Amino acid sequence: DAGITQSPRHKVTETGTPVTLRCHQTENHRYMYWYRQDPGHGLRLIHYSYGVKDTDKGEVSDGYSVSRSKTEDFLLTLESATSSQTSVYFCAISESRTSVSASTDTQYFGPGTRLTVL
Amino acid sequence: TQLLEQSPQFLSIQEGENLTVYCNSSSVFSSLQWYRQEPGEGPVLLVTVVTGGEVKKLKRLTFQFGDARKDSSLHITAAQPGDTGLYLCAVRRITSGTYKYIFGTGTRLKVLA
Repeated sequence: DAGITQSPRHKVTETGTPVTLRCHQTENHRYMYWYRQDPGHGLRLIHYSYGVKDTDKGEVSDGYSVSRSKTEDFLLTLESATSSQTSVYFCAISESRTSVSASTDTQYFGPGTRLTVL
Repeated sequence: TQLLEQSPQFLSIQEGENLTVYCNSSSVFSSLQWYRQEPGEGPVLLVTVVTGGEVKKLKRLTFQFGDARKDSSLHITAAQPGDTGLYLCAVRRITSGTYKYIFGTGTRLKVLA
């Protein structure tokens, strides 16, 4: 199994409070991703990183920010949590180098964080 | 509007039955992936298809990439309870030299013993 951990695994918080989720990898992969999963929507990309301090927005980035100060850590922050951000959050990693073809590039996922905003 | 539409959204079948799930788009892709996600876990890659018309088999699972590379199907023969899970298709996109993945809406399969 790829070495990806997420913390916390479960969190209950109140509307308006800040929340930070952490993703840690031991694989030295260049790319890291944050997704949210909600019924009927599959996985939706929030933000991703293609290197230390290099990040970009995904399709549902409003209300979220990210930081990557080290290769192994990718943080997702909800500055002021809202009930609409109640979801299961997954971190993923991949190599995704130009030398890695699409046929061999693989995303490895963490175990997920279940976040409830009351 | 989702880039990748999967159908059906839900499927409940008896053990031993065959089934097919679909992943459709109006866009052309250079490759497409299928993942399976079991309850309480993250998705796990099953296969990547890269050539139009390509067929790949993984035990009782058969994956096909459409000739025009806009769609894909997953066929399961003689389904077993262990096949229960959420099946997701995904494509890798390149934007300004960086890679990201877009996932479909998913098909939730339940196989009853």
